Amino acid sequence: GQQLNQSPQSMFIQEGEDVSMNCTSSSIFNTWLWYKQDPGEGPVLLIALYKAGELTSNGRLTAQFGITRKDSFLNISASIPSDVGIYFCAGPSSGAGSYQLTFGKGTKLSVIP
Amino acid sequence: DAMVIQNPRYQVTQFGKPVTLSCSQTLNHNVMYWYQQKSSQAPKLLFHYYDKDFNNEADTPDNFQSRRPNTSFCFLDIRSPGLGDAAMYLCATSRERQGPHEQFFGPGTRLTVL
Repeated sequence: GQQLNQSPQSMFIQEGEDVSMNCTSSSIFNTWLWYKQDPGEGPVLLIALYKAGELTSNGRLTAQFGITRKDSFLNISASIPSDVGIYFCAGPSSGAGSYQLTFGKGTKLSVIP
Repeated sequence: DAMVIQNPRYQVTQFGKPVTLSCSQTLNHNVMYWYQQKSSQAPKLLFHYYDKDFNNEADTPDNFQSRRPNTSFCFLDIRSPGLGDAAMYLCATSRERQGPHEQFFGPGTRLTVL
């Protein structure tokens, strides 16, 4: 089945630094979703991308849909302590089960004040 | 605000004692999903309802059942919880099944099995 490779697995950064994480696949995705999950909570949708090359911002977050449709990037500028959490990329599986989301394994972000 | 609500947030049950988790939504979405999430893992889809049409994932154990009495509510029943069923259970909704593909998650129910 389809797989999403998310990197890095974890990262420790100083408050105020910019963060970049990415998601790659061996197969094409037509939609990329980025979620953030706080400890003990459900994932919250941050950004949805629908077109190859699309660049979308949500406050300090910016995400891009790769031109090849096989990758996506999420950048966080000027990180703050509340950015701590696990960031998941996700996309709809191909074929008959296109309702199903394939998730990456997540990037765990820690911010040092 | 339109949202997905899960109750309770924390549930403790005994080994083998049936338990029911509930989810409600004010988004008026057609599709409702149940996921299981274990520590440090991505959510794993158990099943979903498209309107009243129930769809089970092939690898979901028979121990897990679901009911959707109306558009707003969906329940997850675990008939005989085992220690391996301790996890976070997430409910999610989407407007349609084939797209747009955004799914909106509730806050989750943390299940502990003693």
